[in-house]
Amino acid sequence: GENVEQHPSTLSVQEGDSAVIKCTYSDSASNYFPWYKQELGKRPQLIIDIRSNVGEKKDQRIAVTLNKTAKHFSLHITETQPEDSAVYFCAASSDYKLSFGAGTTVTVRA
Amino acid sequence: DTGVSQDPRHKITKRGQNVTFRCDPISEHNRLYWYRQTLGQGPEFLTYFQNEAQLEKSRLLSDRFSAERPKGSFSTLEIQRTEQGDSAMYLCASGQRPTDTQYFGPGTRLTVL
Repeated sequence: GENVEQHPSTLSVQEGDSAVIKCTYSDSASNYFPWYKQELGKRPQLIIDIRSNVGEKKDQRIAVTLNKTAKHFSLHITETQPEDSAVYFCAASSDYKLSFGAGTTVTVRA
Repeated sequence: DTGVSQDPRHKITKRGQNVTFRCDPISEHNRLYWYRQTLGQGPEFLTYFQNEAQLEKSRLLSDRFSAERPKGSFSTLEIQRTEQGDSAMYLCASGQRPTDTQYFGPGTRLTVL
């Protein structure tokens, strides 16, 4: 089955700085890579996703890059704000079920 | 609220009891998924439905677990003879073919004493 590894497990950044989270996957058949943000006690919320026919996607302060050859993808958050503090999960899918990384706890220091 | 809903939000039970959770997906979505999330981990896939058909069950889903989606709308997840190791957040998600996008519900937090 698919194995997704996510790094780092915790990330502390100064407000206004950038945050980068990296994930690797094992199944070359995976073709869909979403990122979810989960605040304490709340549901995972989809923030951005990318498909394997695209190398990069951007939505305002959030961007995701995908390197199919190396089987890794990354989330970039620019100009971080206190409300960006949460746990972020990457995931990979080849058809229907998502395989998640273990999560990155992001803390934005004011 | 047109998002995915789950009921109950919290359930405390004693070991050995049976529990049942309900998920109501986004109305036009034909795919429904169940995941389990333990503290400090990402969600783990349990099972999924395409309309009323259960198409895959994870090996995490022991014989004590059963899921149904009788009319292709809401789904139930039942755990029989609960064990302390079943304590977790049970998340439901829904999606619509042909996209892979999944939208999660708020989850049911199960505590087995």
